[in-house]
Amino acid sequence: GAVVSQHPSRVICKSGTSVKIECRSLDFQATTMFWYRQFPKQSLMLMATSNEGSKATYEQGVEKDKFLINHASLTLSTLTVTSAHPEDSSFYICSARREGNTIYFGEGSWLTVV
Amino acid sequence: LAKTTQPISMDSYEGQEVNITCSHNNIATNDYITWYQQFPSQGPRFIIQGYKTKVTNEVASLFIPADRKSSTLSLPRVSLSDTAVYYCLVGDNTGFQKLVFGTGTRLLVSP
Repeated sequence: GAVVSQHPSRVICKSGTSVKIECRSLDFQATTMFWYRQFPKQSLMLMATSNEGSKATYEQGVEKDKFLINHASLTLSTLTVTSAHPEDSSFYICSARREGNTIYFGEGSWLTVV
Repeated sequence: LAKTTQPISMDSYEGQEVNITCSHNNIATNDYITWYQQFPSQGPRFIIQGYKTKVTNEVASLFIPADRKSSTLSLPRVSLSDTAVYYCLVGDNTGFQKLVFGTGTRLLVSP
């Protein structure tokens, strides 16, 4: 079964509003989680590294004020897309590293901004 | 971070063995090689991971030569449901190194 879960799997929001996506590690604690976005027929693009109890580390070109990441607990990281616009519509995927083990990915979340 | 290079696409038929090779010339001593499978609108799914020589599990085998500058994912007797994108990633398994995805290999299995 899934070890990393995302919610919601699909969300539609109006342009200008904010939307939050949750990423949970189900049976392990994850000090670090990663957020990716993926456009159709393209590879995953790393957006940021989410660190529990501290600020996220963003990749070059990713607006940290637009994509707010909070990692308040060892099992939950959230990505908030603020003031969303149609160009933010994408597939967002999170992942978490199980300590001493491999990285597992969530099921992904489709965001459509209308 | 070690960069990986894979073929963009591959075609196969049901029942055939498929081998996908990945190049990672600047792999570091502590790096592991991990392969993921991704279906449309789903997150990547872990397939197999290895450090050297050969690793086999219930779905695939991973062959890594002594110099570790490449690796080959082998899928025995593929079926239509193996049509997906396969990603080869290289990274330190003990720390919190981020995984950066390359282009992946789009495998199409036909009847």
